[in-house]
Amino acid sequence: GAVVSQHPSWVICKSGTSVKIECRSLDFQATTMFWYRQFPKQSLMLMATSNEGSKATYEQGVEKDKFLINHASLTLSTLTVTSAHPEDSSFYICSARAPTYEQYFGPGTRLTVT
Amino acid sequence: AQTVTQSQPEMSVQEAETVTLSCTYDTSESDYYLFWYKQPPSRQMILVIRQEAYKQQNATENRFSVNFQKAAKSFSLKISDSQLGDAAMYFCAYRSAWSDYKLSFGAGTTVTVRA
Repeated sequence: GAVVSQHPSWVICKSGTSVKIECRSLDFQATTMFWYRQFPKQSLMLMATSNEGSKATYEQGVEKDKFLINHASLTLSTLTVTSAHPEDSSFYICSARAPTYEQYFGPGTRLTVT
Repeated sequence: AQTVTQSQPEMSVQEAETVTLSCTYDTSESDYYLFWYKQPPSRQMILVIRQEAYKQQNATENRFSVNFQKAAKSFSLKISDSQLGDAAMYFCAYRSAWSDYKLSFGAGTTVTVRA
C-alpha cells in the first residue's frame, strides 16, 4: 500500500525557535498534501492544503505566517512552525492524496515547545 | 463545510462481542465518500472501511461492516467478534466526490475492548 512518512516523529524545541516537519510520499506522487493538528483525545483539525508548486490554502483561523508550508516537489511537503510557543505543542499529522484520490496518512509528529 | 457527528464519545465491548458506532452527517451533495478511520495508541491513522454514496450496497471488510442509510444521512460501523487489537479511537469522515478532496472528521469514538 501507499506509504507516507513524517520526520521527525518527536521534536522538542525552545520557545521562540522554529521547527520544520517533513512529510514524504514514498511510493507515489502527491500533488496535494494536507496538514492536520490534533490535541489529545480530540479529532483532527485541518490546518492547510498544500499544493505542489503553488501556495498553500489555509483554513480559517490558522496563521499562515506562523505555520509556513512548502510543497516543493511531488513527494515532499514541509510545515515550519515559526517562533514556536508552548501553545503550539501538539500532534501534527500530514496526509498525501494519491492519484486514486485516496488520502494516506503519515505517522504524525509530536511537537513539544518548552 | 460538511458536518460529521459522532454522538458516542466512548464505547466498551466484551472481547468476541459486537459493537456498533454511530455517525451522521450533513450534506447537500448527492455524490460523496464516507470513511471510518481507526487511530490506535500509536496515533497512526488507519483506513478501516470506505463507502461510495452512489453504491447502495453496504461495504464490508472482514469483521468490519457499515450500515449506510443515505436518506437518513447515517453511516454506522459494526465491529464483529471484537478483538483486543480493535481498541482505538474511531473517526467517521466525509469527502466530497467533486471538490477539494478535504476530509471532514467527526469528533471520534474511543472503543475499549474488555478481555
